Parts: sequence; structure tokens; C-alpha cells
Amino acid sequence: AQKVTQAQTEISVVEKEDVTLDCVYETRDTTYYLFWYKQPPSGELVFLIRRNSFDEQNEISGRYSWNFQKSTSSFNFTITASQVVDSAVYFCALREYNNNDMRFGAGTRLTVKP
Amino acid sequence: KAGVTQTPRYLIKTRGQQVTLSCSPISGHRSVSWYQQTPGQGLQFLFEYFSETQRNKGNFPGRFSGRQFSNSRSEMNVSTLELGDSALYLCASSVEQGFGYEQYFGPGTRLTVT
Repeated sequence: AQKVTQAQTEISVVEKEDVTLDCVYETRDTTYYLFWYKQPPSGELVFLIRRNSFDEQNEISGRYSWNFQKSTSSFNFTITASQVVDSAVYFCALREYNNNDMRFGAGTRLTVKP
Repeated sequence: KAGVTQTPRYLIKTRGQQVTLSCSPISGHRSVSWYQQTPGQGLQFLFEYFSETQRNKGNFPGRFSGRQFSNSRSEMNVSTLELGDSALYLCASSVEQGFGYEQYFGPGTRLTVT
């Protein structure tokens, strides 16, 4: 069965620090999709990135970067030079090709202090 | 383009009552999924609709049901409400069903059952 683990429940950093949010997944499918979502205090989940299992290229988008490693079943998310506006709960999610159930991790609450 | 809208935003109901939540997807999106978010269980998949048909269902009792209309709008119904149904109910839309299509979430309906 598919499973997503975000071991870090809460992280607190000071503005401008770099921070990495960990995501480890389990799946039997060879084709699957990984996602990261941000949930700010307003409650609405915001889509950040999607990765398919055949694309292990790391991606960078501004201060955000993602490291996908199939060998360790991890899809980690790094925020460089964090800002107060980055404070939110971040969710990693997995969707298997043969199972359309989107499985979310428990989320990591990131607090960035000024 | 307008985002996913959900109505109502807040709802208070009594045990035993039933409730209907509404979701309007992003224009052009044909797939609608519903999720329940609680502090204890996190984000859990309820069901997904595409072309007015339920394509996938999560592990929830039959009291939870839904439907999709020809304009892709969707409703979710919970009958015989229980205290444990208190949650944030999130609707998400995507262009097509399943696979790797990213989902865009609405602000949610916060349901409180007393």
C-alpha cells in the first residue's frame, strides 16, 4: 500500500536560514507521481510541484528546490533564505498510476521567525 | 481564471442531521476530488468524480456520498452526522482524472458537528 512519511512534525527557523523538509514514500508501483503542497494559515492548499517517477531531475524554482531520489524513496523540499511568508504547513503527497487515491503525508509545520 | 470555490465556508450542524457541501471547479477542469482534513487523521481522500461518475472512493462509510453535475460542479453529502465528522472538507479540481494531473484546492468548508 502506498504511504507517505513526513517525520518532521514541526520546524522552526529564523528568517534567512535554509530549511529542508523531508518526505519518504512507499509504493509498489513503478509509475507514480509525487507532489508538494503548501497550506498557509488561510487553509487553502497551494500546489507547488509535481514529479513523475521517471523524472529524477532535481528542480529549482526561485528559493525553492526539490531533490527526488528513487534509490532512497525520498522527495525532499528545500527553502533557501527562508522568509516569514514561508510559514505554513507543507504536505508531500503520492499518487500511484494504478491507484487514484492521493495519499498525503501528515505535514510539516514550518515557522519562520523574523 | 477563478479558482475552486466552495460553499458554504463554515457550517454548524447537530448530530444526526445531514449536510450538503458544494464545490465549483476551475473552469475547464473536469475532475473533482473531495478530502477530509482533521487534526488526528490528517488529509484523507473521500472520492473523485469525473464526467458525472464516481471514479474512486476512499475508505469512508456510506454516509458520505457525492455527485457531479454536467457542468462539473460537485456536491458532497454527509448523512446522519456524527461528532467525528467535524473537519475541514476540501474540494480539489484537475483538468483530467487521476494520474499525474495536479489538483487545485478550494478554501474548504469547515463543518462543526455539535
